Amino acid sequence: DGGITQSPKYLFRKEGQNVTLSCEQNLNHDAMYWYRQDPGQGLRLIYYSQIVNDFQKGDIAEGYSVSREKKESFPLTVTSAQKNPTAFYLCASGDAGSNEKLFFGSGTQLSVL
Amino acid sequence: AQKVTQAQTEISVVEKEDVTLDCVYETRDTTYYLFWYKQPPSGELVFLIRRNSFDEQNEISGRYSWNFQKSTSSFNFTITASQVVDSAVYFCALRKTSYDKVIFGPGTSLSVIP
Repeated sequence: DGGITQSPKYLFRKEGQNVTLSCEQNLNHDAMYWYRQDPGQGLRLIYYSQIVNDFQKGDIAEGYSVSREKKESFPLTVTSAQKNPTAFYLCASGDAGSNEKLFFGSGTQLSVL
Repeated sequence: AQKVTQAQTEISVVEKEDVTLDCVYETRDTTYYLFWYKQPPSGELVFLIRRNSFDEQNEISGRYSWNFQKSTSSFNFTITASQVVDSAVYFCALRKTSYDKVIFGPGTSLSVIP
């Protein structure tokens, strides 16, 4: 089945530690996105990529980093510089240059120990 | 600047009642796209509808209907005869162009009580 896979479902971070959230899609989509969801604040865009080896900062990129070495993969690293990382993280993909819908993964809940 | 407002944070209705979720958007562009997504407790967002700025026709899909009014910059969503399975967080979203980011509203949490 085609879709987006996020892993792990739950992740815990220690102080000063970097952690990486995985996002893989087999939908052959060029565009991929990372959103952060906090209660009552909706989804805020962290980073997005319209094509392999290229990505842009979203509204809240500070403390995060990404890479797009393969079309299928768009991992997100939450660095130690992100002082309030506890949130639900959602990955999405879509056709670049299209206004069709986005497809979402099932999310990763990140918590700080 | 683009912005999406969903003034209703939480709504509770009794099963079989009708409920309308409000969405108001801001954009200076003449071409844009509006979306509604549903987020059930599992967490994954599910696409419901897309509407472009040139198509103001209302749409009905089963128990769901959408009212798009450019004059008031609103794109409201109505569920008729609500069911417990409709309980979820609903997001309205706005996109300017094909290559632009999607802006989401804060969401409305709907609880349908049996």
